Amino acid sequence: EPEVTQTPSHQVTQMGQEVILRCVPISNHLYFYWYRQILGQKVEFLVSFYNNEISEKSEIFDDQFSVERPDGSNFTLKIRSTKLEDSAMYFCASSQGSGTDTQYFGPGTRLTVL
Amino acid sequence: QQQVKQSPQSLIVQKGGIPIINCAYENTAFDYFPWYQQFPGKGPALLIAIRPDVSEKKEGRFTISFNKSAKQFSLHIMDSQPGDSATYFCAASMTSGSRLTFGEGTQLTVNP
Repeated sequence: EPEVTQTPSHQVTQMGQEVILRCVPISNHLYFYWYRQILGQKVEFLVSFYNNEISEKSEIFDDQFSVERPDGSNFTLKIRSTKLEDSAMYFCASSQGSGTDTQYFGPGTRLTVL
Repeated sequence: QQQVKQSPQSLIVQKGGIPIINCAYENTAFDYFPWYQQFPGKGPALLIAIRPDVSEKKEGRFTISFNKSAKQFSLHIMDSQPGDSATYFCAASMTSGSRLTFGEGTQLTVNP
């Protein structure tokens, strides 16, 4: 069964450094998402992406964050200057359509900012 | 107004028991309510979902009950098994949008 993959599984970085989290969505999906889960808290929506542009973003997704689909398979989340509070599990998801189409989640990347 | 409240935070039942997890929402524009199951080290996976035009949906041992007037919905797991031990998240979204708004999660343990 096709699945969303994410790399790396764990990223440790120093505060102020840039990080890029990578995702390979399911191949025939058109909508891509990033969510995050701070330890012990709920899963929070960051951004959705369709047709090479952001379709929706949350208040969390400020100028420090950016997303890109650099080629036909990868979908990336860049954090320009990491803060301690960016430490979280970051989940990528993809779906065929928007709205109520099932979003399939990857296993996540645990980001630790020191 | 975008919040989804979930309870309990954790739940322990014996094998064969019927755990019930409850969620409440505020935004009446929500029109799609999925439940996700998450095992350690894995991402959330869709378990079952309901729209507000029905009051109940059943898939196998999993049932969603939906009360539109109370803005509440719940997940029931019939004949629970140790393999059902996981974290369960309710969520809500709008057909017109794309974001899922998640509840806080419930850690379910089913003892043998």
